[in-house]
Amino acid sequence: KQEVTQIPAALSVPEGENLVLNCSFTDSAIYNLQWFRQDPGKGLTSLLLIQSSQREQTSGRLNASLDKSSGRSTLYIAASQPGDSATYLCAVVNYGGSQGNLIFGKGTKLSVKP
Amino acid sequence: DAGITQSPRHKVTETGTPVTLRCHQTENHRYMYWYRQDPGHGLRLIHYSYGVKDTDKGEVSDGYSVSRSKTEDFLLTLESATSSQTSVYFCAISERGTGEGGMNTEAFFGQGTRLTVV
Repeated sequence: KQEVTQIPAALSVPEGENLVLNCSFTDSAIYNLQWFRQDPGKGLTSLLLIQSSQREQTSGRLNASLDKSSGRSTLYIAASQPGDSATYLCAVVNYGGSQGNLIFGKGTKLSVKP
Repeated sequence: DAGITQSPRHKVTETGTPVTLRCHQTENHRYMYWYRQDPGHGLRLIHYSYGVKDTDKGEVSDGYSVSRSKTEDFLLTLESATSSQTSVYFCAISERGTGEGGMNTEAFFGQGTRLTVV
């Protein structure tokens, strides 16, 4: 059974710092991996999608990498801002018959202090 | 933003009553999903649909049923609500890609429905 883990559960950094969020998964047979952001009381906003054949994706100050063989993904946030404060979730879609069902980690709650 | 609307956004209901949550999309995506989010458990799949009238169970489907009579609408029904079904419910959509392996495209989520069963 696929399990997705995100460590740490919470992270507090000063504004301007570059930071890395970690996501690991137990079964490397995945279609893709997606990073989301969730603000308190809100829905999930998609940040980046990495297909299994890709190594990384970039969007603005965000860069996500994928190492399928080791079962790891990282989300790099450059020059963090207070507006980046939110919970970040990663999720994978398993290979084979999964119909796109996402399996989520429990998230990393990020706080960026001014 | 992807066109996904969930209704109602908030609901309080009594134990034993039936409840129906609605998800409406304007993206014409084939796949629709219902997840619930609970502290300590994260997001878990309840049911999903891969086409009109085509649905299947997810990880936590007991006590829930779904229906999809049109591409744009996916309904989640709690036949007899229990306190353990107090949660935040999210609808999501995706599409089958045209690339290698037909992998699913990016998933988009609605704003959620906060359901309280008292």
